[in-house]
Amino acid sequence: QVQLVQSGADVKKPGASVKVSCKASGYIFTSYAIYWVRQAPGQRLEWMGYINAGNDNTRYSQKFQGRVTITRDTSASTVYMELTSLTSEDTSVYYCARGRGFEGLDYWGQGTLVTVSS
Amino acid sequence: YDLTQPPSVSVFPGQTATITCSGRKLDDKYICWYQQRPGQSPTLVIYQDNKRPSGIPERFSGSNSGNTATLTITGTQIVDEADYHCQAWDGTTFLVFGGGTKLTVL
Repeated sequence: QVQLVQSGADVKKPGASVKVSCKASGYIFTSYAIYWVRQAPGQRLEWMGYINAGNDNTRYSQKFQGRVTITRDTSASTVYMELTSLTSEDTSVYYCARGRGFEGLDYWGQGTLVTVSS
Repeated sequence: YDLTQPPSVSVFPGQTATITCSGRKLDDKYICWYQQRPGQSPTLVIYQDNKRPSGIPERFSGSNSGNTATLTITGTQIVDEADYHCQAWDGTTFLVFGGGTKLTVL
């Protein structure tokens, strides 16, 4: 069965960086894109970017351009999302999700809580 | 690009719940709907305006016309109580979510 398993919760100080992993299994890794979506407490879901796991192409939301980097390791079927220059406003649950074309994000990871606090 | 949803919708069990999502020329875009129960990850319930992924009950349906997309739950059950998020694919911002609607089954 399709699974996306994310790394565990993390606490960071303002100005630091965080790297969250998303390990995929149960499907052909390179046939889908992996998206990153975050949700701050009480806020709407917010798209950050995605990577085409087949050809390594990436696209980032303008809001996070320059601060977020999404990479893949095909040998490990794992995607990574790194966010730099953290502030308290980056405190959120970060999700990875699988998608292909306009078919929607059909499988989601369990979420990773990142807390930014001094 | 902005998507607007009502903050909350209430319905009695067995009734039909209607959740709207508004945006400029929304029918030019594909819409998805996600269900999110408290403390859980979102689940895709509708994609490409009106298609149901396998495993999603038939009581969930979607439509998209003009500036409004609609998620309809026919014969709402208590287990359907959750937050529902619409999502559009947009040429400029690429992927955008609505603010979410809390569905309460009374």
